Amino acid sequence: AQSVTQLDSQVPVFEEAPVELRCNYSSSVSVYLFWYVQYPNQGLQLLLKYLSGSTLVKGINGFEAEFNKSQTSFHLRKPSVHISDTAEYFCAVSDLANAGGTSYGKLTFGQGTILTVHP
Amino acid sequence: DVKVTQSSRYLVKRTGEKVFLECVQDMDHENMFWYRQDPGLGLRLIYFSYDVKMKEKGDIPEGYSVSREKKERFSLILESASTNQTSMYLCASSMFREQYFGPGTRLTVT
Repeated sequence: AQSVTQLDSQVPVFEEAPVELRCNYSSSVSVYLFWYVQYPNQGLQLLLKYLSGSTLVKGINGFEAEFNKSQTSFHLRKPSVHISDTAEYFCAVSDLANAGGTSYGKLTFGQGTILTVHP
Repeated sequence: DVKVTQSSRYLVKRTGEKVFLECVQDMDHENMFWYRQDPGLGLRLIYFSYDVKMKEKGDIPEGYSVSREKKERFSLILESASTNQTSMYLCASSMFREQYFGPGTRLTVT
């Protein structure tokens, strides 16, 4: 079974500072990885995804993540954060599961990291 | 753009009531999911559906049931709400790997 560990439950930073949110996963098969963001009282929005190809993935709002197969990590980074980046961030790994004779992508989520950007 | 909508943003129900949470997607996706989100636990899968009238249990199905009579609509049912079902409920849909989420329903059971 797949699992995802987000190493920090809360990350406080000052505006314009760089930030890294850490994510480690376990998977025995091909890996598909996602970062989602949840702003207060909203649903989850996809930030970026790794399906194949380049290990450096760029997403929305200036975020990027690097897939490291040897370290089984998919850390999220931003070189300079804004107050508006304050949100909860979820790392997720997709596994192929079967139901009713068809395959679908089942997501396993980490526990979430609350990023708070201070002025 | 994919749009997933949920019938209510906030809901307050009494213990023992039957509760319906509705989810609608407009992208003809095969798969739909119901999650609950609790602080420190991330998102946990309650049920999912891979076709009309087809469903599978997720990781925490106890106390819940689902209905999918039309492809675009997936309902979560709490037969007899309990206080430990107070939570944020998120619906999602997908064609394959990437899931698209609705805005969530914050349910309080008193």
